[in-house]
Amino acid sequence: DGGITQSPKYLFRKEGQNVTLSCEQNLNHDAMYWYRQDPGQGLRLIYYSQIVNDFQKGDIAEGYSVSREKKESFPLTVTSAQKNPTAFYLCASIGQGFLNEQFFGPGTRLTVL
Amino acid sequence: SNSVKQTGQITVSEGASVTMNCTYTSTGYPTLFWYVEYPSKPLQLLQRETMENSKNFGGGNIKDKNSPIVKYSVQVSDSAVYYCLPLLKICTASKLTFGTGTRLQVTL
Repeated sequence: DGGITQSPKYLFRKEGQNVTLSCEQNLNHDAMYWYRQDPGQGLRLIYYSQIVNDFQKGDIAEGYSVSREKKESFPLTVTSAQKNPTAFYLCASIGQGFLNEQFFGPGTRLTVL
Repeated sequence: SNSVKQTGQITVSEGASVTMNCTYTSTGYPTLFWYVEYPSKPLQLLQRETMENSKNFGGGNIKDKNSPIVKYSVQVSDSAVYYCLPLLKICTASKLTFGTGTRLQVTL
C-alpha cells in the first residue's frame, strides 16, 4: 500500500541535542511538507520541498533544517537552536493533478527533557 | 499569501446540526480541502470543494471565500478537530496554509 511513514512514533532527547525525524513516502509525490502541531495552534508549516534538492522555509523554520536528496525522503532535523522543540511533528506529501490531496504520516511526538 | 480563519471550538449535543466556518483570503478561487483529525489517528481527507461542485455543499461557496462544512445529526464519534485548507495552485505545489482548526465536541 502507498503511504507515508514516520519514525519513530515517540522520541525523547536531552536538551541541547540535535535530533532527526524520518519521513518516507512511496507515493511518487514531488512535494513534501513538515508541520508542527501544538495544542491550540493547529498545524504550522516548518519547511516544504517541491522537488528533489530544493526546499523552502515555512512559517516557523528557525531552529530546524531539512534535506531532500531523494524524492521519497524528507528528513527533518530539530537543532539545539529550536527553543521549544517539544511538539508533535507531521510530515505530508501532495500529488499533482486534479486531486491534489495531501497525504499525512502518523506523526512523531518529540519530547525534549 | 493566504490567511485562513476557523471557529475555535464548538460544543453541541448529539443529533444536532453544526456548521464549521472557514473564511480565507486568496488571490483566486482555490480548491478547499477539509481534513479531520480524530483522537490518536492521522489526519484524513473529509471532503474537497471546487468551483464546479461548490453548490453541493452547505452554505457559502468558494466565490465568497467562505466555505463552511456542515454536518447533520452529529454523533459523539464526530468529535474531532476539523481543518480547512484552501489550495490555490492546482498544478504546482506551493506553501500551504491550514486554518487553526475547529475542535468539535459532541455530547450525549
